[in-house]
Amino acid sequence: DAMVIQNPRYQVTQFGKPVTLSCSQTLNHNVMYWYQQKSSQAPKLLFHYYDKDFNNEADTPDNFQSRRPNTSFCFLDIRSPGLGDAAMYLCATSRDTRGLTGEQYFGPGTRLTVT
Amino acid sequence: ELKVEQNPLFLSMQEGKNYTIYCNYSTTSDRLYWYRQDPGKSLESLFVLLSNGAVKQEGRLMASLDTKARLSTLHITAAVHDLSATYFCAVDTGNQFYFGTGTSLTVIP
Repeated sequence: DAMVIQNPRYQVTQFGKPVTLSCSQTLNHNVMYWYQQKSSQAPKLLFHYYDKDFNNEADTPDNFQSRRPNTSFCFLDIRSPGLGDAAMYLCATSRDTRGLTGEQYFGPGTRLTVT
Repeated sequence: ELKVEQNPLFLSMQEGKNYTIYCNYSTTSDRLYWYRQDPGKSLESLFVLLSNGAVKQEGRLMASLDTKARLSTLHITAAVHDLSATYFCAVDTGNQFYFGTGTSLTVIP
């Protein structure tokens, strides 16, 4: 089945220790997104790729970076995680021809804990 | 900045009852989505509404979109416990995608 896969599902890292979360998709969608979701809050868009074009949200901290080496994979790098970065990180994909957005398909998420 | 507000934020209802969740947004859009999220899980797509007057139904849930009023509703008919979850609307303006505040629904036996 076509899907969005995130690894790992649970990640524990130490304060200040770089961590990378990964997302892959078999949907062949051209847009990929990374969201941060904290407890009892709506998902917050960090950035997205429209094909290879990277789009950063204005309020995304510099501590967060992303890479998309090919259509199928996208990575979220947190260079120096702080306690406030503990959250669920959601990857999503969409295929849109009219504009930038469209129905988004979400992966299962990675729960990040910072100790 | 686009604002997407859901009402109510928290909803506790008895099994068998009906209720409506409202999603108001502050700018022009003709595309709106509803998602369901179970605790600790990811988002599951429920409905895609792509035009004014669109109505979609799936089981006990029905969603509608009024683009002139900038309002979408999610109606729950004869609620059952399995519907307990958080429901998000999300507005697509073509270059922005904003989630609503979420409505946490608890269905009580």
